[in-house]
Order: sequence, then C-alpha cells, then structure tokens
Amino acid sequence: EDKVVQSPLSLVVHEGDTVTLNCSYEVTNFRSLLWYKQEKKAPTFLFMLTSSGIEKKSGRLSSILDKKELFSILNITATQTGDSAVYLCAVEARGGTSYGKLTFGQGTILTVHP
Amino acid sequence: EPEVTQTPSHQVTQMGQEVILRCVPISNHLYFYWYRQILGQKVEFLVSFYNNEISEKSEIFDDQFSVERPDGSNFTLKIRSTKLEDSAMYFCASSKQGALDIQYFGAGTRLSVL
Repeated sequence: EDKVVQSPLSLVVHEGDTVTLNCSYEVTNFRSLLWYKQEKKAPTFLFMLTSSGIEKKSGRLSSILDKKELFSILNITATQTGDSAVYLCAVEARGGTSYGKLTFGQGTILTVHP
Repeated sequence: EPEVTQTPSHQVTQMGQEVILRCVPISNHLYFYWYRQILGQKVEFLVSFYNNEISEKSEIFDDQFSVERPDGSNFTLKIRSTKLEDSAMYFCASSKQGALDIQYFGAGTRLSVL
C-alpha cells in the first residue's frame, strides 16, 4: 500500500521566519510528487517534482525531491500571515492501467503570527 | 484563470437518501477525479474517469457510488443510499493528461448525512 507521511503535523511561527516542511513516501513505481496549499477552499497547486535534486522555486517558496531517500521538502522563507494554511503533499505512482491517482499525506498546518 | 467548479458547496441529507454532487471540470481537461476528506483525516482517492469510463476506483468506491459525465461539461458523483460515514468533504479534480500532470481541484462539497 502506498504511503505518504508529512511532518511536522503543525507548526507555529512568526512573520519573517523560515520554515521547512517534510514529506516522505513509500510507493511502488513513483511517478511524481506534488505540493498543494489548502486554505478554506480548493487545494491550490504549488509544485510538481519528478527528478531528484532539481529545486523548483516560486517567489519565497521552493521545493526539492530526493528519490534515493524518498522524501521532499518545501521551504518557505520570510513567512507572511497569508502563508497560514494546510500544506498537502501527494504522490502519484504508476501501476497497471492506473494513472493520476494521488496518495496524500495528512498535511502540515502552518500558522504564521504577525 | 480556468477553475474547477463544484456545486453545491454544502449538502445536508438524511441517511438512506440519494445525493448527486456536481462538478464542472476545466474545459479542455480529459481526466476527472473524485477525492474525499473526512474531517481530521487525509484526502483519499475515490475514482478516476477518462473517455466516459472509470479507469480506477478505490476500495471506498463500492456499489453505492457511481460517476457520470452526462454532457460535455458536467461530471457527477452519485451516492445511492447515504450512510452516516459518508459525511465528508468531496473534492473534484481534473487534469489535461492522465499521468505526470497537475490535477486542479474544486473548492469541494461538504456532505453532511444526518
């Protein structure tokens, strides 16, 4: 059974701090790892990672994948109150006729205080 | 920016009743998915759908569940006889390709079974 574990489960920081969110996985035939930000509504896409060691960046957010050690990290620098959300990690694995099925971690609740 | 639209945002029903949750995927997407999230738990895959047929379903997706694309724009999830344990947030997602592609999520329908 595919498994995705995120840590920490929750994190409270102050504006300006840097945070690192972790995602480890055990899946058969890994295809990709995705990060989403979930506020009160739809999970919104942040990054998709398929190759080890290549950092993806978007503003203050960045992410990297290690396919040997089976984990990914999501970094947020200079946090703002608007970064408060649940961050979801999901993995797509390849199998038979399966495509697109995402297995999610339990999420990290990030709270940024002013 | 194109988005996935789900209606209603909240559905309250009595146990044993049938419900239909509706989704309008992004217009040029070909692959459609339903996920659910029970309060406090992980987002879980239910079903994927392509070319007017189910391509994969989870153990949760039993005979009480069905999906349909009744016309060129809507994608529906029907629960025939709701149970208390069906209470959850149901997310619809769509992607252009089936594998190695970003899934875009709707804001969800909160289903409350009384």
